Amino acid sequence: NAGVMQNPRHLVRRRGQEARLRCSPMKGHSHVYWYRQLPEEGLKFMVYLQKENIIDESGMPKERFSAEFPKEGPSILRIQQVVRGDSAAYFCASSLSGRVRNEQFFGPGTRLTVL
Amino acid sequence: GQQLNQSPQSMFIQEGEDVSMNCTSSSIFNTWLWYKQDPGEGPVLLIALYKAGELTSNGRLTAQFGITRKDSFLNISASIPSDVGIYFCAGLDSAGGTSYGKLTFGQGTILTVHP
Repeated sequence: NAGVMQNPRHLVRRRGQEARLRCSPMKGHSHVYWYRQLPEEGLKFMVYLQKENIIDESGMPKERFSAEFPKEGPSILRIQQVVRGDSAAYFCASSLSGRVRNEQFFGPGTRLTVL
Repeated sequence: GQQLNQSPQSMFIQEGEDVSMNCTSSSIFNTWLWYKQDPGEGPVLLIALYKAGELTSNGRLTAQFGITRKDSFLNISASIPSDVGIYFCAGLDSAGGTSYGKLTFGQGTILTVHP
């Protein structure tokens, strides 16, 4: 039973390029969450999506960042015109339910380095 | 916004010793989760707590959900070298507001176990 899958595991971009991070939730899970982790810090919530809907994007920067979770295929976190400050580990989590007993299971993360 | 204060920041112990770490919050959470993160990997769920006062065990791990719903602790008994890693507490507000899918993480406790 595969867990949450993320790719790529490592991504290097130059300033101004676009970064696309992909997340496939656990089988049967329709709730996806994206978090960002800076070195030696805890994870910070970015966005919560359910199939084709953004439920909560309160943690996502208003500019350059977007997320989607289409009916078919993985969830995508997109960062346009990346800057050095975007360098971080980005984790995706999924859950079976969005409310009570919401246990979120995490993927291995994508480490983004902006040169 | 909601914040979790996790302590201690780091611990250096001998193999076989017991470990205790805790999290406190300025606001109420309805679910507490404890995760462990190994270098280069995503957080792995250890224990989930859903009711105030609940005490739950998972092998050598024991965690409690504080009565006030503003704190939680994690104990590890008879530590072994593979317990090394970063432990995070996370609180979930599942009361039905717009942020009910959002996990708020503590800063982490770095555990080192000397053989």
